[in-house]
Amino acid sequence: KQEVTQIPAALSVPEGENLVLNCSFTDSAIYNLQWFRQDPGKGLTSLLLIQSSQREQTSGRLNASLDKSSGRSTLYIAASQPGDSATYLCAVPSSASKIIFGSGTRLSIRP
Amino acid sequence: DTGVSQDPRHKITKRGQNVTFRCDPISEHNRLYWYRQTLGQGPEFLTYFQNEAQLEKSRLLSDRFSAERPKGSFSTLEIQRTEQGDSAMYLCASSTTGTGDGYTFGSGTRLTVV
Repeated sequence: KQEVTQIPAALSVPEGENLVLNCSFTDSAIYNLQWFRQDPGKGLTSLLLIQSSQREQTSGRLNASLDKSSGRSTLYIAASQPGDSATYLCAVPSSASKIIFGSGTRLSIRP
Repeated sequence: DTGVSQDPRHKITKRGQNVTFRCDPISEHNRLYWYRQTLGQGPEFLTYFQNEAQLEKSRLLSDRFSAERPKGSFSTLEIQRTEQGDSAMYLCASSTTGTGDGYTFGSGTRLTVV
């Protein structure tokens, strides 16, 4: 049974810092891994999708890496801004029919 | 295409009432999913459709919950005899067949049962 864990559960850093969010999963036989952002009381916005054949994906100040063999992914945020404050969720397919989410990392960027 | 749309955004209902939510997926996506999210947790899978066929239901989906996707387009999720424990964010997502393209989520429906 696929399980997804995100560490830390919460993180507060001053503006301008680079930071890393971690995601681990128990079953390495995944098709892909997706990172989402969720603002309070809102739905999910897809940030990055990494296919199983890829090692990383980049979008602007975001870079996500995937190491299937160790069951880990990281989301790197460069030069953090207060607007980056949100909950970040990673998700992996558990079967052809659904994805399994971690509990998220609640990020706060202090001005 | 404006993405995945959910209606209503917020719903407050009294315990025991029935509620129905609607989801309109991205038009070319033949898969549609419902998830539930409680405070501080990641979304949990409820059910999914491929076209009009409901192919999987979670054990979280008690017999008070029913979902439909007539004609393989929009979907509805109905909760009968609501309970306070049903209070949550209900999220809809869609995707193409297979898992290669990822999922697109809607903005969710926030249900509060009082």
